[in-house]
Amino acid sequence: SAVISQKPSRDICQRGTSLTIQCQVDSQVTMMFWYRQQPGQSLTLIATANQGSEATYESGFVIDKFPISRPNLTFSTLTVSNMSPEDSSIYLCSVVSGTSGSSDTQYFGPGTRLTVL
Amino acid sequence: AQRVTQPEKLLSVFKGAPVELKCNYSYSGSPELFWYVQYSRQRLQLLLRHISRESIKGFTADLNKGETSFHLKKPFAQEEDSAMYYCALSAAQYGNKLVFGAGTILRVKS
Repeated sequence: SAVISQKPSRDICQRGTSLTIQCQVDSQVTMMFWYRQQPGQSLTLIATANQGSEATYESGFVIDKFPISRPNLTFSTLTVSNMSPEDSSIYLCSVVSGTSGSSDTQYFGPGTRLTVL
Repeated sequence: AQRVTQPEKLLSVFKGAPVELKCNYSYSGSPELFWYVQYSRQRLQLLLRHISRESIKGFTADLNKGETSFHLKKPFAQEEDSAMYYCALSAAQYGNKLVFGAGTILRVKS
């Protein structure tokens, strides 16, 4: 299984500022994802982080608001830009462990709890 | 579009009682179904997946394509089973992204 760490684990930010969340994996993985879990709700996929190319965003999420980097196969960042209180959520990184990307288990990081005042 | 429905927000049972957490899905192809669990102050982790057809911590789940269901069952609940349970679906057609249900909180009372 893959071991995933995220930084920071939590933060309290002022509206209008930006926060970059880091996701580090202990092994090379082909697929990395970023999810959001708003208070009292389930997980929603923000985007797929592609190594060496632009991230693939889900409906309702845009690059200007959630820029993503993936410089190599073990690391990715998600930035929450120009934050508002509605961005207060837990942000989770996940990876698919395995080479094929299909029928493989998805592992989750511990999450970053963001509160925007 | 894929959709996962977990109709119960909270399921409360007594220790030793049977447990069934309901999950229904909508997808026209051949999906993969998963159950993820999140214990208090721990990260989300995979409990089981339908293709493995295994029992984990006494839990089983059978994919019923006719009823488009993937209910999670355990014959005798234990207090340590108390957690949030998420049913999730992925499909190769959609790049194996996971679509989650809303989650069900299981509380096992002593």
